[in-house]
Amino acid sequence: EVQLVESGGGLVKPGGSLRLSCAASGFTFSSYSMNWVRQAPGKGLEWVSSISSSSSYIYYADSVKGRFTISRDNAKNSLYLQMNSLRAEDTAVYYCARDSGGNYNFDYWGQGTLVTVSS
Amino acid sequence: EIVLTQSPGTLSLSPGERATLSCRASQSVSSSYLAWYQQKPGQAPRLLIYGASSRATGIPDRFSGSGSGTDFTLTISRLEPEDFAVYYCQQYGSSPRVTFGPGTKVDIK
Repeated sequence: EVQLVESGGGLVKPGGSLRLSCAASGFTFSSYSMNWVRQAPGKGLEWVSSISSSSSYIYYADSVKGRFTISRDNAKNSLYLQMNSLRAEDTAVYYCARDSGGNYNFDYWGQGTLVTVSS
Repeated sequence: EIVLTQSPGTLSLSPGERATLSCRASQSVSSSYLAWYQQKPGQAPRLLIYGASSRATGIPDRFSGSGSGTDFTLTISRLEPEDFAVYYCQQYGSSPRVTFGPGTKVDIK
C-alpha cells in the first residue's frame, strides 16, 4: 500500500525556518517525481515545488522561489522541504504528492502537515 | 501563466442528479495535462481524472471528463452522497509548472 506521511509542521515566527519531511513507503520511491502542494486555511490548492526522481530537475512556484528548497533522499525514501524566511502567507497545510507518470498527475497524497507562521 | 477558472463556484444538487462542472483555461492546455481532483473536508485531494478524460484507478464510472483546448468539463452522472465535495481542475504547463483552479463546491440542495 502506498503511503506518504508528512511531518515537521508547527508554529514558527515570521522570518523563521522549518523543515518538512515526507516518508514514503509501498512503492519504488526512486522511480517517481515528487511534489509539495499547499492549502491555506479555507482556500484552494497551490503547487509549491517539484523534484524529479534523481533530483536532476527541480521547480518552484514564484511565491516560494529563493526561500524554499526541495530535496530528496532516495536511500531513505524521503522527501524534504526546507522553508526559510517564512511569511504569514505561507501558513497552510503542506501535502507531499506523488507524480504518477511525469505529467504532474498527483495520484497519491499524504495527510498533510500544518505550518502556521505567526508572531 | 495559464489561469484556470472554474464555474460555478457552488453547485447545489440533490443525490441522483447530474452534476456538470466547468474548467476554463486562459490559454490552450494540452488535454494530456488536464486533471480533476476531489477533496472532502479534512482530507487530502484525490485524483479523479487525468489526461482530461481518463479515470484514475478505482474511480467509479459515474465520473467522466471531457474537453479540449481551453474548455474542460467534469460530469458526475448521478450524484451519490459521498460525491458532495470540492472539485479542482489542474493543469501542467511551463511556468508555473502546475496551476489549480479555484474549485467548485458541490453541496446538497
